[in-house]
Amino acid sequence: DTAVSQTPKYLVTQMGNDKSIKCEQNLGHDTMYWYKQDSKKFLKIMFSYNNKELIINETVPNRFSPKSPDKAHLNLHINSLELGDSAVYFCASSQGAGLSTDTQYFGPGTRLTVL
Amino acid sequence: AQSVTQLGSHVSVSEGALVLLRCNYSSSVPPYLFWYVQYPNQGLQLLLKYTTGATLVKGINGFEAEFKKSETSFHLTKPSAHMSDAAEYFCAVSEGTGNQFYFGTGTSLTVIP
Repeated sequence: DTAVSQTPKYLVTQMGNDKSIKCEQNLGHDTMYWYKQDSKKFLKIMFSYNNKELIINETVPNRFSPKSPDKAHLNLHINSLELGDSAVYFCASSQGAGLSTDTQYFGPGTRLTVL
Repeated sequence: AQSVTQLGSHVSVSEGALVLLRCNYSSSVPPYLFWYVQYPNQGLQLLLKYTTGATLVKGINGFEAEFKKSETSFHLTKPSAHMSDAAEYFCAVSEGTGNQFYFGTGTSLTVIP
């Protein structure tokens, strides 16, 4: 069984469109994250939710809006897509909210290409 | 402020040879240090982590890393490379408290038969 799953795996879309990426974890974890990995493989945390509450919100354009309907899901909605949004987006989860102390489990990633 | 530097974006080793992937960090407080591996088209997987205690940390798949405070380093090693070790490796650092987690830019490991 997949622990952290993301859909879709690939997403190709035009500039200006709105798109969503879904993430689900079946590990019973309390905390979920979104990371962005750019073309140079640089990984940066975007958001973190603990028990459906936002606890980390890095400097990310407000076109990006995470939504956590329940503890097991953290979706990422992106409005007015731009070329620079092209990247691989990773979802992750951990038992607790401590980035330092809690092992994060990553999903397989969603490769977003904006044309 | 914290940062992570991985020297060498690409490393090639022969099968059976020693693997050494370098990671240096900067942190104003005692750091927590991590190594993750990313196989092609997959998410990241934790190899090992250092929080406190013994400075030599053993991880999965025969990897280990040593925290050297005087050198601000956390290099990853494996005595004998396998073909299956070919992947991207990321070093990461965070503080003991707080919600900051920084990855290095990654090192791509190629294993030559």
